[in-house]
Amino acid sequence: KNQVEQSPQSLIILEGKNCTLQCNYTVSPFSNLRWYKQDTGRGPVSLTIMTFSENTKSNGRYTATLDADTKQSSLHITASQLSDSASYICVVSAWYSSASKIIFGSGTRLSIRP
Amino acid sequence: NAGVTQTPKFQVLKTGQSMTLQCAQDMNHNSMYWYRQDPGMGLRLIYYSASEGTTDKGEVPNGYNVSRLNKREFSLRLESAAPSQTSVYFCASSEGSESETQYFGPGTRLLVL
Repeated sequence: KNQVEQSPQSLIILEGKNCTLQCNYTVSPFSNLRWYKQDTGRGPVSLTIMTFSENTKSNGRYTATLDADTKQSSLHITASQLSDSASYICVVSAWYSSASKIIFGSGTRLSIRP
Repeated sequence: NAGVTQTPKFQVLKTGQSMTLQCAQDMNHNSMYWYRQDPGMGLRLIYYSASEGTTDKGEVPNGYNVSRLNKREFSLRLESAAPSQTSVYFCASSEGSESETQYFGPGTRLLVL
């Protein structure tokens, strides 16, 4: 069964600290993996996309890693800011012969405290 | 460039009432989607439209209907609302298939009493 599991469910850290969010998936055949940021009361916004051959992708203070062998991804946030408070959603795409399917994780809710 | 817009932002319905959620995008995208988001669960696909004039069921289509009015607009209709349909509904669009980057609207918060 295609699944995407994220951990932790929620996380609280102090402003300026680093943190790492995890995503494990069992989606097959794998096409790509995205991380989205969802601010409270808003729709998700894409942060990064990674394909099978990519190990690392950065977007400012956000760095995503992918280990396709172990089917794990992480999102590392450096020098956190109050504006990083949001839910972070891991989304994995599978590609079949003529169509794709995407599976959403349930997200990690990150709170940054001053 | 407004991106993806949704109306209304909030709605309260009584059980059995009907309503239509509106969605429009100005990015000339081919594909559009309707999702629902419930606490503790990932976004779940209700219906999608890969191109103007086509619609397909997603993971949770029961109790909903959709209409791809033109390339810009994709509406979601609840014919007879039920409390189980209380949720936040998101519309999204992408240039091509669903595995491409999707652009989401701000959401519609629906409460069915």
